[in-house]
Amino acid sequence: GENVEQHPSTLSVQEGDSAVIKCTYSDSASNYFPWYKQELGKRPQLIIDIRSNVGEKKDQRIAVTLNKTAKHFSLHITETQPEDSAVYFCAANINTNAGKSTFGDGTTLTVKP
Amino acid sequence: GAVVSQHPSWVICKSGTSVKIECRSLDFQATTMFWYRQFPKQSLMLMATSNEGSKATYEQGVEKDKFLINHASLTLSTLTVTSAHPEDSSFYICSARGGIMAKNIQYFGAGTRLSVL
Repeated sequence: GENVEQHPSTLSVQEGDSAVIKCTYSDSASNYFPWYKQELGKRPQLIIDIRSNVGEKKDQRIAVTLNKTAKHFSLHITETQPEDSAVYFCAANINTNAGKSTFGDGTTLTVKP
Repeated sequence: GAVVSQHPSWVICKSGTSVKIECRSLDFQATTMFWYRQFPKQSLMLMATSNEGSKATYEQGVEKDKFLINHASLTLSTLTVTSAHPEDSSFYICSARGGIMAKNIQYFGAGTRLSVL
């Protein structure tokens, strides 16, 4: 089955700096890669996703890049703010009705004011 | 965006009792629902996947007789933890995925914190 590895497990940055979280996946059939943000005690929220026919996607301060050949994808957060502090999960999915997401282990991001 | 409602948000029960958790998709039809378990500071561990009207597919190591999943309609799935024990204490999160309106994206419920005394 699919295996998703996520690094780093913890990341601490100064407010205003950029943060990068990287994930690799094993199943070349995966074609949908969402990123979720989970604040303490709350539900995971989809923040950005990318499909395999696209190499990069950007939404304001958040961007995701995908390298299908290398089977890795990354989340980039620029101009970080304290409210960006949370746990971030990447996932890989074969986007069919029967497919399921395989999640990475999560990255705890702390943005210091 | 699509909304998934999960109830209860917190439940405390005695050892040996059963607990039912409901997961509802409020504004879309969820063809597939997922149940996860999450331990403190850990990732989402998929327990089972259920498609409406069919039996759930359980992940390896998850006892199907202990964690009963019912997906009777396109908007409701339930997880029943039978004969709960303290080691079942955890955060359980459901997620639902629908068709065109939800763009096949998974939307998560707010989770249920189960404490078994």
